[in-house]
Amino acid sequence: GENVEQHPSTLSVQEGDSAVIKCTYSDSASNYFPWYKQELGKRPQLIIDIRSNVGEKKDQRIAVTLNKTAKHFSLHITETQPEDSAVYFCAAYGSSNTGKLIFGQGTTLQVKP
Amino acid sequence: KAGVTQTPRYLIKTRGQQVTLSCSPISGHRSVSWYQQTPGQGLQFLFEYFSETQRNKGNFPGRFSGRQFSNSRSEMNVSTLELGDSALYLCASSWDRESGYTFGSGTRLTVV
Repeated sequence: GENVEQHPSTLSVQEGDSAVIKCTYSDSASNYFPWYKQELGKRPQLIIDIRSNVGEKKDQRIAVTLNKTAKHFSLHITETQPEDSAVYFCAAYGSSNTGKLIFGQGTTLQVKP
Repeated sequence: KAGVTQTPRYLIKTRGQQVTLSCSPISGHRSVSWYQQTPGQGLQFLFEYFSETQRNKGNFPGRFSGRQFSNSRSEMNVSTLELGDSALYLCASSWDRESGYTFGSGTRLTVV
Protein backbone atom coordinates (compact mmCIF):
# COMPACT_ATOMS: atom_id res chain seq x y z
CA GLY A 1 0.00 0.00 0.00
CA GLU A 2 0.91 3.67 0.05
CA ASN A 3 3.70 4.46 2.43
CA VAL A 4 6.21 7.20 3.21
CA GLU A 5 9.28 6.36 5.25
CA GLN A 6 11.05 9.24 7.00
CA HIS A 7 14.50 9.26 8.63
CA PRO A 8 15.87 10.04 11.09
CA SER A 9 13.19 10.14 13.76
CA THR A 10 15.28 12.53 15.85
CA LEU A 11 18.06 14.88 14.84
CA SER A 12 20.18 17.10 17.04
CA VAL A 13 22.51 19.72 15.54
CA GLN A 14 24.50 22.70 16.72
CA GLU A 15 23.28 26.14 15.76
CA GLY A 16 24.74 27.07 12.39
CA ASP A 17 25.11 23.48 11.20
CA SER A 18 23.04 21.91 8.42
CA ALA A 19 20.24 19.41 8.90
CA VAL A 20 19.06 16.83 6.39
CA ILE A 21 15.87 14.78 6.60
CA LYS A 22 15.15 12.03 4.09
CA CYS A 23 11.93 10.44 2.87
CA THR A 24 11.11 7.57 0.56
CA TYR A 25 7.66 7.02 -0.96
CA SER A 26 6.10 3.90 -2.40
CA ASP A 27 3.45 5.17 -4.84
CA SER A 28 5.08 5.96 -8.17
CA ALA A 29 2.00 8.02 -9.10
CA SER A 30 2.83 10.57 -6.39
CA ASN A 31 3.45 13.96 -7.94
CA TYR A 32 3.50 16.49 -5.11
CA PHE A 33 5.74 16.47 -2.04
CA PRO A 34 5.22 19.03 0.73
CA TRP A 35 7.19 19.47 3.93
CA TYR A 36 5.48 20.65 7.10
CA LYS A 37 6.88 22.08 10.31
CA GLN A 38 4.92 21.56 13.50
CA GLU A 39 5.87 23.35 16.68
CA LEU A 40 4.66 22.01 20.00
CA GLY A 41 0.93 22.50 20.40
CA LYS A 42 0.54 24.13 17.01
CA ARG A 43 -0.78 23.16 13.60
CA PRO A 44 1.46 21.80 10.84
CA GLN A 45 2.61 24.61 8.56
CA LEU A 46 3.92 24.24 5.03
CA ILE A 47 7.55 25.27 4.73
CA ILE A 48 8.35 24.14 1.20
CA ASP A 49 6.96 21.85 -1.46
CA ILE A 50 8.06 20.35 -4.77
CA ARG A 51 6.31 18.86 -7.76
CA SER A 52 7.46 15.77 -9.57
CA ASN A 53 8.58 17.69 -12.67
CA VAL A 54 11.21 19.57 -10.64
CA GLY A 55 14.40 18.14 -9.16
CA GLU A 56 15.23 20.83 -6.64
CA LYS A 57 13.68 23.89 -5.04
CA LYS A 58 15.17 26.46 -2.67
CA ASP A 59 13.70 29.08 -0.38
CA GLN A 60 16.34 30.96 1.59
CA ARG A 61 17.85 28.48 4.07
CA ILE A 62 15.56 25.62 3.05
CA ALA A 63 15.85 23.37 0.04
CA VAL A 64 14.15 20.19 -1.12
CA THR A 65 15.53 17.69 -3.63
CA LEU A 66 13.57 14.99 -5.42
CA ASN A 67 14.79 11.84 -7.12
CA LYS A 68 11.78 10.34 -8.92
CA THR A 69 13.67 7.28 -10.08
CA ALA A 70 14.63 6.34 -6.55
CA LYS A 71 11.31 7.64 -5.14
CA HIS A 72 13.27 9.65 -2.66
CA PHE A 73 13.12 13.28 -1.50
CA SER A 74 15.03 15.24 1.10
CA LEU A 75 14.80 18.44 3.13
CA HIS A 76 17.95 20.47 3.68
CA ILE A 77 18.12 23.26 6.24
CA THR A 78 21.32 25.31 6.28
CA GLU A 79 22.59 27.65 9.00
CA THR A 80 20.16 26.20 11.51
CA GLN A 81 18.79 28.42 14.26
CA PRO A 82 17.15 27.51 17.60
CA GLU A 83 13.76 28.56 16.19
CA ASP A 84 14.10 25.78 13.61
CA SER A 85 13.56 23.30 16.48
CA ALA A 86 10.28 21.50 15.76
CA VAL A 87 8.86 18.31 14.28
CA TYR A 88 9.16 18.09 10.50
CA PHE A 89 6.87 15.94 8.37
CA CYS A 90 7.32 14.96 4.76
CA ALA A 91 4.29 13.93 2.72
CA ALA A 92 3.41 12.59 -0.70
CA TYR A 93 0.30 13.21 -2.78
CA GLY A 94 -0.94 11.39 -5.86
CA SER A 95 -3.47 12.91 -8.21
CA SER A 96 -5.29 9.60 -8.29
CA ASN A 97 -5.88 9.84 -4.56
CA THR A 98 -7.86 13.01 -4.16
CA GLY A 99 -7.15 15.19 -1.15
CA LYS A 100 -5.02 12.56 0.56
CA LEU A 101 -1.55 13.31 1.83
CA ILE A 102 0.50 10.34 2.99
CA PHE A 103 2.74 11.53 5.80
CA GLY A 104 6.05 10.28 7.06
CA GLN A 105 6.38 9.58 10.77
CA GLY A 106 8.08 12.88 11.51
CA THR A 107 11.55 14.04 12.55
CA THR A 108 12.11 15.90 15.80
CA LEU A 109 14.82 18.46 15.10
CA GLN A 110 16.64 20.03 18.02
CA VAL A 111 18.98 22.93 17.32
CA LYS A 112 21.31 23.57 20.24
CA PRO A 113 22.42 27.17 20.78
CA LYS B 1 -7.38 35.92 4.44
CA ALA B 2 -8.99 34.08 7.33
CA GLY B 3 -7.52 30.68 8.04
CA VAL B 4 -9.02 27.29 8.72
CA THR B 5 -11.20 27.29 11.82
CA GLN B 6 -11.75 24.21 13.94
CA THR B 7 -14.05 23.97 16.90
CA PRO B 8 -13.92 23.09 19.67
CA ARG B 9 -10.20 23.23 20.50
CA TYR B 10 -10.45 20.71 23.32
CA LEU B 11 -12.90 17.96 24.20
CA ILE B 12 -13.06 15.36 26.92
CA LYS B 13 -15.49 12.51 26.37
CA THR B 14 -16.26 9.21 28.03
CA ARG B 15 -15.90 5.84 26.33
CA GLY B 16 -19.03 4.92 24.45
CA GLN B 17 -20.12 8.48 23.82
CA GLN B 18 -20.14 10.18 20.45
CA VAL B 19 -18.54 13.43 19.38
CA THR B 20 -18.89 15.93 16.55
CA LEU B 21 -16.06 18.17 15.41
CA SER B 22 -16.37 21.14 13.08
CA CYS B 23 -14.09 22.63 10.43
CA SER B 24 -14.58 25.77 8.35
CA PRO B 25 -12.13 26.01 5.45
CA ILE B 26 -10.60 29.17 4.06
CA SER B 27 -13.24 31.35 2.47
CA GLY B 28 -13.84 30.28 -1.10
CA HIS B 29 -12.25 26.85 -0.65
CA ARG B 30 -14.52 23.94 -1.41
CA SER B 31 -12.48 21.00 -0.15
CA VAL B 32 -11.90 19.80 3.39
CA SER B 33 -9.68 16.89 4.40
CA TRP B 34 -9.55 15.38 7.87
CA TYR B 35 -6.56 13.78 9.59
CA GLN B 36 -5.98 12.04 12.89
CA GLN B 37 -2.67 12.73 14.63
CA THR B 38 -1.39 10.45 17.39
CA PRO B 39 2.12 9.94 18.78
CA GLY B 40 2.15 6.30 17.70
CA GLN B 41 0.56 6.47 14.24
CA GLY B 42 1.48 9.99 13.16
CA LEU B 43 -0.79 11.83 10.75
CA GLN B 44 -3.35 9.59 9.11
CA PHE B 45 -5.93 10.55 6.50
CA LEU B 46 -9.56 10.10 7.47
CA PHE B 47 -11.58 11.48 4.54
CA GLU B 48 -11.93 14.31 2.08
CA TYR B 49 -15.01 16.25 1.02
CA PHE B 50 -15.53 18.44 -1.99
CA SER B 51 -18.81 20.21 -2.77
CA GLU B 52 -20.68 18.16 -0.17
CA THR B 53 -19.43 14.84 -1.58
CA GLN B 54 -16.97 12.47 0.02
CA ARG B 55 -14.30 11.89 -2.61
CA ASN B 56 -11.86 9.78 -0.63
CA LYS B 57 -11.75 7.79 2.57
CA GLY B 58 -8.92 6.41 4.66
CA ASN B 59 -8.69 3.13 6.53
CA PHE B 60 -10.75 3.93 9.58
CA PRO B 61 -13.74 2.01 10.99
CA GLY B 62 -17.28 3.03 10.17
CA ARG B 63 -17.54 4.77 13.55
CA PHE B 64 -15.77 7.66 11.87
CA SER B 65 -18.01 9.60 9.54
CA GLY B 66 -18.26 13.05 8.11
CA ARG B 67 -20.26 15.43 6.01
CA GLN B 68 -19.95 18.74 4.31
CA PHE B 69 -22.49 21.51 4.04
CA SER B 70 -23.28 23.82 1.16
CA ASN B 71 -21.15 26.58 2.75
CA SER B 72 -18.16 24.15 2.69
CA ARG B 73 -18.07 23.76 6.45
CA SER B 74 -17.46 20.15 7.39
CA GLU B 75 -18.19 18.05 10.42
CA MET B 76 -16.76 14.75 11.45
CA ASN B 77 -18.47 12.42 13.87
CA VAL B 78 -17.04 9.60 15.93
CA SER B 79 -19.54 7.26 17.53
CA THR B 80 -19.01 4.77 20.35
CA LEU B 81 -15.76 6.39 21.39
CA GLU B 82 -12.82 4.22 22.39
CA LEU B 83 -9.75 5.17 24.41
CA GLY B 84 -7.66 4.82 21.26
CA ASP B 85 -9.62 7.60 19.59
CA SER B 86 -7.81 10.10 21.79
CA ALA B 87 -5.91 12.24 19.31
CA LEU B 88 -5.49 15.61 17.69
CA TYR B 89 -7.95 15.87 14.81
CA LEU B 90 -6.82 18.22 12.08
CA CYS B 91 -8.62 19.44 9.03
CA ALA B 92 -7.05 20.95 5.93
CA SER B 93 -8.47 23.35 3.38
CA SER B 94 -8.14 23.06 -0.40
CA TRP B 95 -4.68 23.18 -1.92
CA ASP B 96 -3.48 26.50 -3.23
CA ARG B 97 -0.21 27.47 -4.85
CA GLU B 98 0.89 29.80 -2.06
CA SER B 99 0.09 27.77 1.03
CA GLY B 100 -0.33 24.19 -0.12
CA TYR B 101 -2.84 22.44 2.12
CA THR B 102 -3.52 24.75 5.07
CA PHE B 103 -4.29 23.06 8.35
CA GLY B 104 -6.47 24.26 11.16
CA SER B 105 -5.24 24.32 14.74
CA GLY B 106 -7.01 21.07 15.44
CA THR B 107 -9.34 19.64 18.04
CA ARG B 108 -7.67 17.76 20.88
CA LEU B 109 -9.99 14.89 21.82
CA THR B 110 -9.40 12.97 25.03
CA VAL B 111 -11.46 9.86 25.70
CA VAL B 112 -11.55 8.72 29.32
